[in-house]
Amino acid sequence: GAVVSQHPSRVICKSGTSVKIECRSLDFQATTMFWYRQFPKQSLMLMATSNEGSKATYEQGVEKDKFLINHASLTLSTLTVTSAHPEDSSFYICSARDPGGGARTQYFGPGTRLTVL
Amino acid sequence: GIQVEQSPPDLILQEGANSTLRCNFSDSVNNLQWFHQNPWGQLINLFYIPSGTKQNGRLSATTVATERYSLLYISSSQTTDSGVYFCAYETDSWGKLQFGAGTQVVVTP
Repeated sequence: GAVVSQHPSRVICKSGTSVKIECRSLDFQATTMFWYRQFPKQSLMLMATSNEGSKATYEQGVEKDKFLINHASLTLSTLTVTSAHPEDSSFYICSARDPGGGARTQYFGPGTRLTVL
Repeated sequence: GIQVEQSPPDLILQEGANSTLRCNFSDSVNNLQWFHQNPWGQLINLFYIPSGTKQNGRLSATTVATERYSLLYISSSQTTDSGVYFCAYETDSWGKLQFGAGTQVVVTP
């Protein structure tokens, strides 16, 4: 099946710094990727839709200036958490649809656990 | 928005037992899917099932779209089935997913 990778898997940073998370589709081209956030014991909440070559679309309540998304190629989307604060600590997950994969299934990355001190 | 209710919220099973997880919707939804999130956080697609019944090994799923619910059956459970099971539906043509709250499953040896 299709594989989506994320890097790093875990990051600890100081309050006020910025953190970049990469999401890659390894064996397919993804024109659209999605970024989710998951707090402990909670469900996944969609943050934004990342489209290759255009601006990301953010969900209501998600600050676009704080969570910068860049979809520079058909296999790479990045999420940068700017001026991170402890409340940004969470599990960030990306996903991508394989347009050649038949059914409308999404493939998820393994997630990045962000801890802001 | 459409309300998604998953039940039960928690489930403890002894290895070998069978179980049924349920997902109810307050209105019609598009392209219902089931996912398993393992204890390390990885989500795995289980079923894309907008309607009807599908089976994959010990797992099967049934969606009755007209009655706005879907069921996930786990038979002969194994410890590797532990994790959180989510149902989700697409909210637009791009494929944005809205997830239910999930069912936490623990399978004990």
